[in-house]
Amino acid sequence: TQLLEQSPQFLSIQEGENLTVYCNSSSVFSSLQWYRQEPGEGPVLLVTVVTGGEVKKLKRLTFQFGDARKDSSLHITAAQPGDTGLYLCAGEGVYNQGGKLIFGQGTELSVKP
Amino acid sequence: DSGVTQTPKHLITATGQRVTLRCSPRSGDLSVYWYQQSLDQGLQFLIQYYNGEERAKGNILERFSAQQFPDLHSELNLSSLELGDSALYFCASSVGTSGVNEQFFGPGTRLTVL
Repeated sequence: TQLLEQSPQFLSIQEGENLTVYCNSSSVFSSLQWYRQEPGEGPVLLVTVVTGGEVKKLKRLTFQFGDARKDSSLHITAAQPGDTGLYLCAGEGVYNQGGKLIFGQGTELSVKP
Repeated sequence: DSGVTQTPKHLITATGQRVTLRCSPRSGDLSVYWYQQSLDQGLQFLIQYYNGEERAKGNILERFSAQQFPDLHSELNLSSLELGDSALYFCASSVGTSGVNEQFFGPGTRLTVL
């Protein structure tokens, strides 16, 4: 069974600080997606990484896919209160039939002004 | 707005009852996925349909079933409901099933079983 472990589970920081969220697995993924979810709403896709070692930037967010495609990280620079939310990583298995996603448990981020 | 619509937004029902959740995918998307999100289990894949046919199954209970219609909308049927079925149910859609399947999620249906 493929699992994705996210850490930390909870993160409370002050505005302006930097943070990193980790997503780890013992399995290889063909792609990995990061989502952000607000309470009571559906996850919103932030980025998809496909190639081992790939780095993608989205304004103050930097996403990295591990060389072996087993892990990923999300780094936020100068966090703002608007970054508050649940961050989820989701992987598509190498031998996946159909494209279902395996989700990590999420990182609950709170950025205080 | 992801382009995926789900109805109803909220559903409150009693144990033993049956409900139907509806999902319309983004225009042009052929794949529909159903996920369940609860506090203790996180987001769990239930089932996927591609162009009307079942493509993949996850940890979906036998009391649950789904289908995708010719116009590509999908319905998730939950029967003999139990308290533990209370959760957020999300539908997601993607273009296909091969390559990188970026999935776009609907706003969800919050099911409360009393």
